Amino acid sequence: GEDVEQSLFLSVREGDSSVINCTYTDSSSTYLYWYKQEPGAGLQLLTYIFSNMDMKQDQRLTVLLNKKDKHLSLRIADTQTGDSAIYFCAGGGKLIFGQGTELSVKP
Amino acid sequence: GAVVSQHPSRVICKSGTSVKIECRSLDFQATTMFWYRQFPKQSLMLMATSNEGSKATYEQGVEKDKFLINHASLTLSTLTVTSAHPEDSSFYICSARFPQGAVEAFFGQGTRLTVV
Repeated sequence: GEDVEQSLFLSVREGDSSVINCTYTDSSSTYLYWYKQEPGAGLQLLTYIFSNMDMKQDQRLTVLLNKKDKHLSLRIADTQTGDSAIYFCAGGGKLIFGQGTELSVKP
Repeated sequence: GAVVSQHPSRVICKSGTSVKIECRSLDFQATTMFWYRQFPKQSLMLMATSNEGSKATYEQGVEKDKFLINHASLTLSTLTVTSAHPEDSSFYICSARFPQGAVEAFFGQGTRLTVV
């Protein structure tokens, strides 16, 4: 079946860039998504990329898509303490989620 | 943006009772809604796809008699956890999309169910 994999933890210092990686198996996904979840809360859509694009930039966020390797990444520039959360990549018709990457930003 | 409202946000119930969770799309019609379950520190696991006016499609391993889903209108889907047990304690999240071809899925705030 469809599968989405992510690294579980990432720790960075405030002001640095963060890069969160994701691999997926369902190559039929039209869109691939990045969601943010803060403790005890629902999911917030951060950004998405259409499957025929290689890159999408949205303010501090840059999404890179390598379709050949089925690899998706999210780069957060100038990471702030408020960016600390769990980040999920998701894709596929049924919107299958990765395990989530817990981003910890240290002052 | 579009809003999906989920109610209640928290519920505590006794073992053996049933609990109903509502998911409403407030400003759009959703022919399809999705129900997810999330354990602490884990990902969202898709439980079922709720289709307006027809039976829900359950993912493998999800007991359809345990988790009853009803999608009675284009703006409301309900998930009923029947005869709840402590192992059913979890965070349940619903999601709705605009009809065919929509990009974005909108998520409810989630329901924290605790069975004691």
